[in-house]
Amino acid sequence: DTAVSQTPKYLVTQMGNDKSIKCEQNLGHDTMYWYKQDSKKFLKIMFSYNNKELIINETVPNRFSPKSPDKAHLNLHINSLELGDSAVYFCASSQASGRSQETQYFGPGTRLLVL
Amino acid sequence: AQSVTQPDIHITVSEGASLELRCNYSYGATPYLFWYVQSPGQGLQLLLKYFSGDTLVQGIKGFEAEFKRSQSSFNLRKPSVHWSDAAEYFCAVGAQGGSEKLVFGKGTKLTVNP
Repeated sequence: DTAVSQTPKYLVTQMGNDKSIKCEQNLGHDTMYWYKQDSKKFLKIMFSYNNKELIINETVPNRFSPKSPDKAHLNLHINSLELGDSAVYFCASSQASGRSQETQYFGPGTRLLVL
Repeated sequence: AQSVTQPDIHITVSEGASLELRCNYSYGATPYLFWYVQSPGQGLQLLLKYFSGDTLVQGIKGFEAEFKRSQSSFNLRKPSVHWSDAAEYFCAVGAQGGSEKLVFGKGTKLTVNP
C-alpha cells in the first residue's frame, strides 16, 4: 500500500492555466506538507497543515492555495501558472504537530512543467 | 533561523569504497538532524535522524551519521558503497520546540562507478 500518494505524477500545461495537485496519506498522520523542489534540486517547504488547519505558510505567491478537506488529504491549487512554477512538488506527512523531530514521509512527487 | 550547508554538490566513488557526505548546520540550540535519500524519479526516504542521546546514529541500508556539536556537523558515512546507493542525498535540520518546519540542504549527488 502506498503511504503517501500524489496525483498526477506528471503535469504539462500552458502559462496562465489553473491546475490542482492532489495528495493523500493512509498513515493516520495529523500533519501534511507541500514542498517545492526546483531544477537545482533545492527543496523548500511551502505549506503545512495539521488536522485541516494551516500551520506553516512560507512566502509563497497567493496564486498557490492549499486545501485540506480532511486530515488525510492536502491538495494544492495553483492559479495563473507561470514558467517559474515548473518544479517537482512533493507532499509529505508526519505523525504530530509542533514537533520537528517527527519523521516526514514523502510522496513520489508531481513533476509540473509550464510551457 | 536554522540553515544547512552541504559543501559537495557531486561525489563519485567506486563500488566497495567508503563514503562520507558532509553536512554542516547553523542553529542556536541542539538541532534535530536528518538525512534523506532521493533515488532518481522518486520521493525522499529517511535514512536516519538524530535529536538526542548517542551522537553516532545508525540508519537503514548500512548508513550511519555522527553528530559533532563542536563542528556543527552531521556527516553521513557508509563503509562500503553499493551501486544501488547512487542517488541524491539531503541533510535537513529541524528546530527544537518549534514548528515542524525542516530546512534542507541543497543535496549531494552520489555517483557510483562499477
